Amino acid sequence: EAGVAQSPRYKIIEKRQSVAFWCNPISGHATLYWYQQILGQGPKLLIQFQNNGVVDDSQLPKDRFSAERLKGVDSTLKIQPAKLEDSAVYLCASSLIQGRNYGYTFGSGTRLTVV
Amino acid sequence: GQNIDQPTEMTATEGAIVQINCTYQTSGFNGLFWYQQHAGEAPTFLSYNVLDGLEEKGRFSSFLSRSKGYSYLLLKELQMKDSASYLCAVRGGGGYNKLIFGAGTRLAVHP
Repeated sequence: EAGVAQSPRYKIIEKRQSVAFWCNPISGHATLYWYQQILGQGPKLLIQFQNNGVVDDSQLPKDRFSAERLKGVDSTLKIQPAKLEDSAVYLCASSLIQGRNYGYTFGSGTRLTVV
Repeated sequence: GQNIDQPTEMTATEGAIVQINCTYQTSGFNGLFWYQQHAGEAPTFLSYNVLDGLEEKGRFSSFLSRSKGYSYLLLKELQMKDSASYLCAVRGGGGYNKLIFGAGTRLAVHP
């Protein structure tokens, strides 16, 4: 099966600019996650979708971050305006809602550098 | 609160065995995962434990003790390609399959 697709792979922007990331999950995976991974740390959940509804966005900085999942498939994550501390890898993952272990499949990530 | 602790770094020799420990305190428990992450790449699934005991998969084994809030990942016959970060992640209670990750353990395998 095709994996989780993310783009772009890398992005460099200046602080206060805006940026958007795109994710296409594995076909049939109802749950989609966006994680932020700062260098040297584990991934931190930003937002979780079940189909096209948000089930957890408790750690999303809503003053600058937004995300949507149209038609329960693709998702975009936006940052506006970006800050230096937003420099990180943004990982998208998807999973089934049924199955033995509900394991995540991660995309390759988008490495964001804010200068 | 939710807390997952793992050692920051470990080193080992090619061909040896290494054990990476993980302790956790979470609100609810519905499974523990180990992921491998090479530098600059996405995490990839290694193992899953939901019941106490040992799960073996080739050179990799994972152990869970729910009463102690403890897990370990055992890597045997280490190879240079095993140099990576190893992430412990816990799925808490309350549904929705949310994983909380530890900071990861960077393993360096030397010849």
